[in-house]
Amino acid sequence: GAGVSQSPSNKVTEKGKDVELRCDPISGHTALYWYRQSLGQGLEFLIYFQGNSAPDKSGLPSDRFSAERTGGSVSTLTIQRTQQEDSAVYLCASSLSSGLQETQYFGPGTRLLVL
Amino acid sequence: DAKTTQPNSMESNEEEPVHLPCNHSTISGTDYIHWYRQLPSQGPEYVIHGLTSNVNNRMASLAIAEDRKSSTLILHRATLRDAAVYYCILVTSGTYKYIFGTGTRLKVLA
Repeated sequence: GAGVSQSPSNKVTEKGKDVELRCDPISGHTALYWYRQSLGQGLEFLIYFQGNSAPDKSGLPSDRFSAERTGGSVSTLTIQRTQQEDSAVYLCASSLSSGLQETQYFGPGTRLLVL
Repeated sequence: DAKTTQPNSMESNEEEPVHLPCNHSTISGTDYIHWYRQLPSQGPEYVIHGLTSNVNNRMASLAIAEDRKSSTLILHRATLRDAAVYYCILVTSGTYKYIFGTGTRLKVLA
């Protein structure tokens, strides 16, 4: 079946512009996660959605970052007034539900370059 | 958040077993131990997980210390396709976000 998809796969933008990154989770998955991975680094948690509950935004690095999940499915991560340090790969994952034994399925990521 | 520590890198010869260690001395009683790996230019993929008992699946085995303060991922016969960064992650009840460390970069020699 279809896995997690993300678009665009690559994005180049100028400093100060806003960008939107999209994630399509696996159908039926109620939990959705955003992470970012800077060059040569491990993944950094950003935000987590579970069903209709309020999202866990504890990982968002600044108020320039926001995310929404419409209809419990597709999610959009928005970065306003991008900075060069925002350059990274942004990864989305989904899981069937939240649980200690749930597997997170990751998408291929969006590679963002801020010039 | 519970932390894990892993060696930065390891090497293995093809067709030989590989033991990837992970220390998690602050683990709590209900934390699950998950392992993921990330192949070059891809998102992470699930490998295996466990709580207390050793676990086996088609990809690997997970050996968990009796005090649960460490675990070892075992690849029984490394292949070139197993070259990746391997992450050991603790999953805590109530907060299911993954806290990734720097992982272990496994190099497999032909």
